[in-house]
Amino acid sequence: DGGITQSPKYLFRKEGQNVTLSCEQNLNHDAMYWYRQDPGQGLRLIYYSQIVNDFQKGDIAEGYSVSREKKESFPLTVTSAQKNPTAFYLCASSPGTSGTLFHLETQYFGPGTRLLVL
Amino acid sequence: EDQVTQSPEALRLQEGESSSLNCSYTVSGLRGLFWYRQDPGKGPEFLFTLYSAGEEKEKERLKATLTKKESFLHITAPKPEDSATYLCAVGGWNSGYALNFGKGTSLLVTP
Repeated sequence: DGGITQSPKYLFRKEGQNVTLSCEQNLNHDAMYWYRQDPGQGLRLIYYSQIVNDFQKGDIAEGYSVSREKKESFPLTVTSAQKNPTAFYLCASSPGTSGTLFHLETQYFGPGTRLLVL
Repeated sequence: EDQVTQSPEALRLQEGESSSLNCSYTVSGLRGLFWYRQDPGKGPEFLFTLYSAGEEKEKERLKATLTKKESFLHITAPKPEDSATYLCAVGGWNSGYALNFGKGTSLLVTP
């Protein structure tokens, strides 16, 4: 089955610790995204990547880092500089080939990782 | 700045009682409006993409419509399994590849 997987489902972070969230897709999509969801707020974009070895900051990139070494994988690291990391993190992907200047592609989401601070 | 406002925040319906959810938006050149369904503790599930005013999409008991200022998600004869949070997102000329999400409408359908 094609889809997006995220692991782990739950992650606990200690003070001063960096943690990495995994996102893998087998949809052959070029574009991948990371969003953060907080209670009572809309999803907010952290980082996105349109192609391997290239990525751009979203609205709330401070305290986060990413890499895109393979088309299938887009891991997110939550660094100790992120002072309020407790949230639900969502990875998404889109084909990257069907969008145009006038039309954005549909993004498809994974199941999410909930990050909690100890 | 792009803005998305969803109303109501919460809606309780009896099974079979049809209603509509609203998504009002302001965007500098709409490049897409997206509806998702999200169950508690899970990722959003894609429902519809709309690009142009007047466009309509249907899927089972759901129908999405689009005007130049808002979108409606009509739910006809809902069932308890339709209970979820429904998210609306828009993308515009100034937002690059980012989607601007509303806070969602939490729908509860009781038997």
